[in-house]
Amino acid sequence: AQSVTQLGSHVSVSEGALVLLRCNYSSSVPPYLFWYVQYPNQGLQLLLKYTTGATLVKGINGFEAEFKKSETSFHLTKPSAHMSDAAEYFCAVSGSASKIIFGSGTRLSIRP
Amino acid sequence: GAVVSQHPSWVICKSGTSVKIECRSLDFQATTMFWYRQFPKQSLMLMATSNEGSKATYEQGVEKDKFLINHASLTLSTLTVTSAHPEDSSFYICSARVGSRRSQETQYFGPGTRLLVL
Repeated sequence: AQSVTQLGSHVSVSEGALVLLRCNYSSSVPPYLFWYVQYPNQGLQLLLKYTTGATLVKGINGFEAEFKKSETSFHLTKPSAHMSDAAEYFCAVSGSASKIIFGSGTRLSIRP
Repeated sequence: GAVVSQHPSWVICKSGTSVKIECRSLDFQATTMFWYRQFPKQSLMLMATSNEGSKATYEQGVEKDKFLINHASLTLSTLTVTSAHPEDSSFYICSARVGSRRSQETQYFGPGTRLLVL
């Protein structure tokens, strides 16, 4: 079985500051890990995903995440926040059955 | 890129009526589609897996007779909320899977359908 825990339901950073959204996972099989972004009243957009290979994954809009098996983590980072980054972010895990299990989400706010 | 559409984008209906939501993959074929439900300020909960030409697989706790899923073609899956009640009001999101091998799989999500049952 798979599960995801996102630490912090709300994160607020200043424009230009580092963004760090935390995600820990549990999986009985080698996991595939994802970060999705959701803007108000819209569907989900894939930011990045980890399947196998390189543990540092680069995604769209300057985001990246690092898969750390020893820590069962897949934290999302961006060096410099932009106002347009304000949204809801979901970490997700997929096991062998291809079903995606989502975390509870983290709302990112950007202060001017 | 791959695009998934949903229709309608929002719907208001009276309690007791049935509502059908369509999910289409516009530029690719999807043998598998997924239906999710999202309550306000909450995460997405997987309701069911829809496979073309076969019965849907429902997650535990999801009523099969309440949420009818039909995947009649490789580009269309429908979710029908039967005898809708106010507690069925939610944001329904579908996704379509591409890729035949797990390492190549990607799910593309639709924009969602907001259902309000009065």
